[in-house]
Amino acid sequence: AQKVTQAQTEISVVEKEDVTLDCVYETRDTTYYLFWYKQPPSGELVFLIRRNSFDEQNEISGRYSWNFQKSTSSFNFTITASQVVDSAVYFCALSESLAMTTDSWGKLQFGAGTQVVVTP
Amino acid sequence: NAGVTQTPKFRVLKTGQSMTLLCAQDMNHEYMYWYRQDPGMGLRLIHYSVGEGTTAKGEVPDGYNVSRLKKQNFLLGLESAAPSQTSVYFCASSYSIRGETQYFGPGTRLLVL
Repeated sequence: AQKVTQAQTEISVVEKEDVTLDCVYETRDTTYYLFWYKQPPSGELVFLIRRNSFDEQNEISGRYSWNFQKSTSSFNFTITASQVVDSAVYFCALSESLAMTTDSWGKLQFGAGTQVVVTP
Repeated sequence: NAGVTQTPKFRVLKTGQSMTLLCAQDMNHEYMYWYRQDPGMGLRLIHYSVGEGTTAKGEVPDGYNVSRLKKQNFLLGLESAAPSQTSVYFCASSYSIRGETQYFGPGTRLLVL
């Protein structure tokens, strides 16, 4: 079963618009970690943020912000005033606790990714 | 500090040929991973290692073998390449396994004809 769902395949915006990427996850663990990675056209995977399940505070880093809501199992990512350099595929990922299941050893489970296209 | 590096960057193989992908990290990380990335499927774990001399299967291990003879290196082997193994391969490493951030290499693009 898909543990991480990124329902948006592609989002196209014009520069300076805000864009929000949705991420919904599924876990029975009480301790887990959520991540966002960026994959620009050059292909490398760039770590953006890590959040544990006990910290529901929203976070802002420059033009990036993250909204973590355990009640809806969502960890959404917003880019404010988008720029062309934000064009990339963004992946949400989940790492579950070691305690829960036999195959739950902390591996990263990725969503399918959301392609963001920012045009001038 | 190079982080995670991968060799080669790109390779073309014929069906049935073998090859080894090399991953190296200079962060003294215990844990290393090999993923493959296919369109629309995110990244899927092939094999991983929790320390020097250890390896374990991930989500899609068939057709691949790995070795971790040195802490800093993690090798991924294809004994008899198949077109289904055409993909982009990423290596990653992390300090520990539980919830720690994984840092990725630049990827290897493999085309099997």
